[in-house]
Amino acid sequence: KQEVTQIPAALSVPEGENLVLNCSFTDSAIYNLQWFRQDPGKGLTSLLLIQSSQREQTSGRLNASLDKSSGRSTLYIAASQPGDSATYLCAANSGYALNFGKGTSLLVTP
Amino acid sequence: GAVVSQHPSRVICKSGTSVKIECRSLDFQATTMFWYRQFPKQSLMLMATSNEGSKATYEQGVEKDKFLINHASLTLSTLTVTSAHPEDSSFYICSARGQGLDNEQFFGPGTRLTVL
Repeated sequence: KQEVTQIPAALSVPEGENLVLNCSFTDSAIYNLQWFRQDPGKGLTSLLLIQSSQREQTSGRLNASLDKSSGRSTLYIAASQPGDSATYLCAANSGYALNFGKGTSLLVTP
Repeated sequence: GAVVSQHPSRVICKSGTSVKIECRSLDFQATTMFWYRQFPKQSLMLMATSNEGSKATYEQGVEKDKFLINHASLTLSTLTVTSAHPEDSSFYICSARGQGLDNEQFFGPGTRLTVL
């Protein structure tokens, strides 16, 4: 069974810092991996989807990398802003439903 | 990306009543739909997977007679919480995927269920 782990569970940084969120998964046989953002009481916003054949994806200040063989993905956020404060979830697609990590709760302080 | 809607976004009901939640894919055909449940400060947990025209596949520990899932068309799946109790209060989120296991899943905005 696919297990997805996210480190750290919570993170607080001052505005402007670059930061890295980590995601690891136990079964490397995945089709793709997705990063989501969730604001309190809200649904999921898809940030980036990396197919298994890809190494990274970029969208604006966000960059996600995927190392399937080692079972790791990272989400890099450049020049963080208070509006980036949210919970970030990664999810591995093993061909069935998505397996979610517990998320990293990010707080960016002004 | 594709759009998935959920209705209602929020519902409050009395204990013992049934509640139906709709999940619609607005601009694509969803061969597979998924229902997740999220407790406060927890991650999403898969409840069941439904393919159009077939019976839903439930995850271990999820009561199929309590959480009725219907996927009657390629754009609509419904989750009915029967005889709801306070412990069923949660955030329910659906997602939809087109044909292909590597296709992206698109998520609905979620439904907040509160059972009094």
